[in-house]
Amino acid sequence: QKEVEQDPGPLSVPEGAIVSLNCTYSNSAFQYFMWYRQYSRKGPELLMYTYSSGNKEDGRFTAQVDKSSKYISLFIRDSQPSDSATYLCASLYNQGGKLIFGQGTELSVKP
Amino acid sequence: DTGVSQDPRHKITKRGQNVTFRCDPISEHNRLYWYRQTLGQGPEFLTYFQNEAQLEKSRLLSDRFSAERPKGSFSTLEIQRTEQGDSAMYLCASSSLAGGEVGELFFGEGSRLTVL
Repeated sequence: QKEVEQDPGPLSVPEGAIVSLNCTYSNSAFQYFMWYRQYSRKGPELLMYTYSSGNKEDGRFTAQVDKSSKYISLFIRDSQPSDSATYLCASLYNQGGKLIFGQGTELSVKP
Repeated sequence: DTGVSQDPRHKITKRGQNVTFRCDPISEHNRLYWYRQTLGQGPEFLTYFQNEAQLEKSRLLSDRFSAERPKGSFSTLEIQRTEQGDSAMYLCASSSLAGGEVGELFFGEGSRLTVL
């Protein structure tokens, strides 16, 4: 079993839709949870991070972690074609450690 | 600051040959990571360095893989006796313990390896 599991999609939505991306993880020692975005032929870049359980909002993006169910979510409101990318969830045991990535969900937002 | 740079961007080689990739991290970043990514998968951790010290190496990494970071600056990843299963994108990332967001790794654009 992978430590971080993610539905690979692909996911296709119309512009303006609300997008929900989800991951589960198996190791309760994970403390930090990140979402990375990866455009085609590019390296991943950090979108948001959350420490422990709770929500974090940044513009149209909301990250949510529920440690009791080991569930990680990313919500995108008013999705735009420029949001089309692969979204990777990742977890971290402690600061400065190695990131463990999910397999990524490919998102396509149609105009 | 030009970001993380990797070279070469694409390498095609025949099975059994050795290949070496180079990564130049963001200057002043003391942590450097190597990941491997295959199509439709997320990055898979290979190894990481703090300065010149290799702190961890994935158990999935065979003895054919070796990484170095002499003088704590650039790093090289060498694959000996390449196999077709080594075909992947090799991503390098760097980070600083002193600042930035937790878990923020700055990735290069990767070196794509194709083993024929």
